[in-house]
Amino acid sequence: VQLVQSGAEVREPGDSLKISCQGSGYFFMKYWIGWVRQKPGKGLEWMGMIYPGDSETIYSPSFEGQVTISVDRSTRNAYLEWSSLTASDTAIYYCARLETYSGRNDAFEIWGQGTMVIVSS
Amino acid sequence: DIVMTQSPVSLPVTPGEAASISCRSSQGLLNSNGYTYLDWYLQRPGQSPQLLIYLGSNRASGVPDRFSGSGSGTDFTLQISRVEAEDVGVYFCMQALQTPFTFGPGTRVEIK
Repeated sequence: VQLVQSGAEVREPGDSLKISCQGSGYFFMKYWIGWVRQKPGKGLEWMGMIYPGDSETIYSPSFEGQVTISVDRSTRNAYLEWSSLTASDTAIYYCARLETYSGRNDAFEIWGQGTMVIVSS
Repeated sequence: DIVMTQSPVSLPVTPGEAASISCRSSQGLLNSNGYTYLDWYLQRPGQSPQLLIYLGSNRASGVPDRFSGSGSGTDFTLQISRVEAEDVGVYFCMQALQTPFTFGPGTRVEIK
């Protein structure tokens, strides 16, 4: 079971970007996948999550309208997308699979390796 | 949103000694299903976070038994019975009771 994320990206302010997270080794459609931001030297911020089975998506109010979370079931990929990057988007972005030990989402059991995004002119 | 706080900010420890990290939530994390939605994660330097404890007190797969989680309501504790060099990193608590899920600011554990 693993999540493999796309490689590091360097972009200029105003650019668009879509990063990916591919799940393997498990029934992809069954588990929610979340996205977590970590700015340089800072803590973890939950951005939102998506259920591949029906594409239901929940965003943190702090990120709603700033990013788009999507999924492609045919390629087993979840995506995080920006239409117009700013320098404040510079961070490492992790995808993580939610486990349901209690019968509902309760912990990020599997994490991707992270994708570093640098936005600079 | 549920606000998570942690203490201490930094924790220097001697190998072989015990260590304890506190996490508090701005509201109770007990769900009506009887489960408490509090997790602990360790982020080693340069690595992705890894799950240590889920639902307050359950060790994740492969986590050594020197790690234990306890607490209820709004007050939680992660204990390391005998710290080893590989335990160095930043420990985060996270509430999964309601969205948006929120993390504590982290506690950095370092070897003296």
